[in-house]
Amino acid sequence: EVQLVESGGGLVQPGGSLRLSCAASGFTFSNYAMNWVRQAPGKGLEWLSGISGSGTSTYYADSVKGRFTISRDNSKNTLSLQMSSLRAEDTAVYYCTGDSYGYWCPDYWGQGTLVTVSS
Amino acid sequence: QSVLTQPPSASGTPGQRVTISCSGSSSNIGSNYVYWYQQLPGTAPKLLIYRNNQRPSGVPDRFSGSKSGTSASLAISGLRSGDEADYYCATWDDSLSGVVFGGGTQLTAL
Repeated sequence: EVQLVESGGGLVQPGGSLRLSCAASGFTFSNYAMNWVRQAPGKGLEWLSGISGSGTSTYYADSVKGRFTISRDNSKNTLSLQMSSLRAEDTAVYYCTGDSYGYWCPDYWGQGTLVTVSS
Repeated sequence: QSVLTQPPSASGTPGQRVTISCSGSSSNIGSNYVYWYQQLPGTAPKLLIYRNNQRPSGVPDRFSGSKSGTSASLAISGLRSGDEADYYCATWDDSLSGVVFGGGTQLTAL
């Protein structure tokens, strides 16, 4: 059974940093492109970043480019999102997602971790 | 403003067939596969349709997807109260080099 478990969310002050992690199990992690998707309270889904299975290709939404960095460790089956210069509008539930079909859109989703940016 | 345009709401009576539209452009829907997701209240999204019209195992055949040009649609037949949820379309955008989502459609079973 595919499992994606996010951790690292919490309360952070504006301008601060936070690192999210996602532990993957139940599939060959290195074969899957992975993404981070977020959802602000009461709002829709927003794709943030994606990384290829090998880790050599990364993509970012304009809203986080230069502030967030996606990475993966295929030896540990983990996906990470380093977030810096956080703003109030970054407050959201952050989902770790996996793509098994090769078209970047997610098919597997974690349960999400809440990030709150507030003073 | 989302890159993909969905109606904010849709509704139908139990047993009815309901469709949700998703409109894009040549750089996204026009040249890539469309995915659809269902998000029940308080839960993570769940994949309903991939590659325009394919259902993952476990998704009932009441759910179907189609695509024509730069638009796509999700159809739900035999509407049930348990289908009340938010529905999102998504695809890759060649110009943005990223995944784009529709703004979501809240479905109500009257």
